[in-house]
Amino acid sequence: DIQMTQSPSSLSASVGDRVTISCQASQDISNYLNWYQQKPGKAPKLLIYDASNVETGVPSRFSGSGSGTDFTFTISSLQPEDFATYYCQQYDNLPLTFGGGTKVEIK
Amino acid sequence: EVRLVESGGGLVKPGGSLRLSCAAAGFNSSNAWMSWVRQAPGKGLEWVGRIKSKTDGETTDFAAPVKGRFTISRDDSKNTLYLHMNSLKTEDTGVYYCATGIFRYFVWSTWGQGALVTVSS
Repeated sequence: DIQMTQSPSSLSASVGDRVTISCQASQDISNYLNWYQQKPGKAPKLLIYDASNVETGVPSRFSGSGSGTDFTFTISSLQPEDFATYYCQQYDNLPLTFGGGTKVEIK
Repeated sequence: EVRLVESGGGLVKPGGSLRLSCAAAGFNSSNAWMSWVRQAPGKGLEWVGRIKSKTDGETTDFAAPVKGRFTISRDDSKNTLYLHMNSLKTEDTGVYYCATGIFRYFVWSTWGQGALVTVSS
């Protein structure tokens, strides 16, 4: 199974801050990586697909980069509605696997 | 509006069975690959399994923890997906989501609201 290691597991940030989350795959997954946002009690929401493509309707402050084993998710200017947990997910191989999540909290 | 609506969650004893349903609305789900994802209380997301479309053979695949106990089926005439859960264990407790990317197999742009399954004696 492909292990997805996400870091940090949590972070505190202020509105307007730039936030970066890392995700490392245990083997090469090309660009088969998605990023999701989840708020408490809600279903996940797709933000980024194929490592760097912003889903339709998602604000441009969200971005993703990387390929192979190392990936980065960035929020360029954190907004109040962005406080949530973020997950990376690989779909290069079954079983599909998620990173452990990064909880973004208010500083 | 494209939507997935789940139903069927509840409390079940260890060793018991439960069936979840996921009704698609606003699109024809017959050509979509559909997945189930779960989340244990306070934990992260875990893929459970997937069923391909009929045209792709309706093949199913499962994560190791549920293989042999869970099955997935679909009734395209009702635009509905099912998760059949047998021999349930306490560690199967959590919220179960159905998800699809419609024509994007594992890029899940549409999710259900979640169904809570509690396995407890």
